[in-house]
Amino acid sequence: GAVVSQHPSRVICKSGTSVKIECRSLDFQATTMFWYRQFPKQSLMLMATSNEGSKATYEQGVEKDKFLINHASLTLSTLTVTSAHPEDSSFYICSASRGQGGTGELFFGEGSRLTVL
Amino acid sequence: KQEVTQIPAALSVPEGENLVLNCSFTDSAIYNLQWFRQDPGKGLTSLLLIQSSQREQTSGRLNASLDKSSGRSTLYIAASQPGDSATYLCAVRRNQFYFGTGTSLTVIP
Repeated sequence: GAVVSQHPSRVICKSGTSVKIECRSLDFQATTMFWYRQFPKQSLMLMATSNEGSKATYEQGVEKDKFLINHASLTLSTLTVTSAHPEDSSFYICSASRGQGGTGELFFGEGSRLTVL
Repeated sequence: KQEVTQIPAALSVPEGENLVLNCSFTDSAIYNLQWFRQDPGKGLTSLLLIQSSQREQTSGRLNASLDKSSGRSTLYIAASQPGDSATYLCAVRRNQFYFGTGTSLTVIP
């Protein structure tokens, strides 16, 4: 099946620093990628939809300036948590849909555990 | 707004038992429905994808059904194994994906 790679899997940083997480589709082109946040024992919360070559679409309540998303190519989207604080500590997961239109199968990265000290 | 519910929230079964996980959604206008498993601290692994025109999909010991008109899907796991222990999530897609809250499955050896 298709593979979506996410890096790093774990990151620990000090409060106030910025952290970048990469999401790559390894064997297909993804014009759209999705970024989620997951709290312990809860389901996924969609943060934003990343569109190749254009600005990301953020969900209500998600700070655009805090969570910067760049989708510079058809295989790479990045999420940068700027000036991270302990409340940003969470599990972040990206996904990409293979295929055109609305019927494509969704594939997920392995997730990135962010801990802000 | 689409709402996706999964029942039960947690399930514990002895090894070898067949089991059914349930997923219900409120808006039947979907493109497809997908089942995933998630292991602790990991991303989601796609199990089965059912397009809106399909009734079921099978992969190995897994069988997923879709009844769009009633807003329901089931995931059937045959001859459960300890390695099946994980959280199972369903997601329906229209313009975006809507996820259920998951069923945490424990298969006891």
